[in-house]
Amino acid sequence: AQSVTQPDIHITVSEGASLELRCNYSYGATPYLFWYVQSPGQGLQLLLKYFSGDTLVQGIKGFEAEFKRSQSSFNLRKPSVHWSDAAEYFCAVGEEGYSTLTFGKGTMLLVSP
Amino acid sequence: EPEVTQTPSHQVTQMGQEVILRCVPISNHLYFYWYRQILGQKVEFLVSFYNNEISEKSEIFDDQFSVERPDGSNFTLKIRSTKLEDSAMYFCASAVGEAFFGQGTRLTVV
Repeated sequence: AQSVTQPDIHITVSEGASLELRCNYSYGATPYLFWYVQSPGQGLQLLLKYFSGDTLVQGIKGFEAEFKRSQSSFNLRKPSVHWSDAAEYFCAVGEEGYSTLTFGKGTMLLVSP
Repeated sequence: EPEVTQTPSHQVTQMGQEVILRCVPISNHLYFYWYRQILGQKVEFLVSFYNNEISEKSEIFDDQFSVERPDGSNFTLKIRSTKLEDSAMYFCASAVGEAFFGQGTRLTVV
């Protein structure tokens, strides 16, 4: 069975500092990996995805993520955080791009001035 | 940019009542899903729908739940007899490659 672990429930980062949100997955084959962001009261917005190929993927809003098969990880990064990035971030894994997704519990990002 | 639209945004209902949550998926998408997120918990898969039938469902999706695509555009989730524990944010999603989610319907059962 698939599973996703996001070990950090909350992270606080100063505005302008770099960010890394951790995601580890458990899946037997090559996974399809996603990061979604949820702003308060909003739906889930796709930030980026990894299906195959280059293990460093670029997404919207300046985010990137790196797939590391040896570590079963798909960490999300941003070099300089903006106050508007404060939201909850969810990592998810699927068998295919359109298959059902298994989500992690999410990491709440707080941005301090 | 095309988007998944869900109505209503909020719904309050009494325990035991039936509710219908509505979704308009992105028009050329082929796969449709319902997920839910109980407050403070992770997003959980309920059901997927492809080619006018359920393709997969989770343990959560028991007999009180049903889905329909009544008119080729809308995609609905019906909860027949709501319970307090059905209170959650319900997300609709549609996909052709990756899934795009709607804004959600917050269901409160009192």
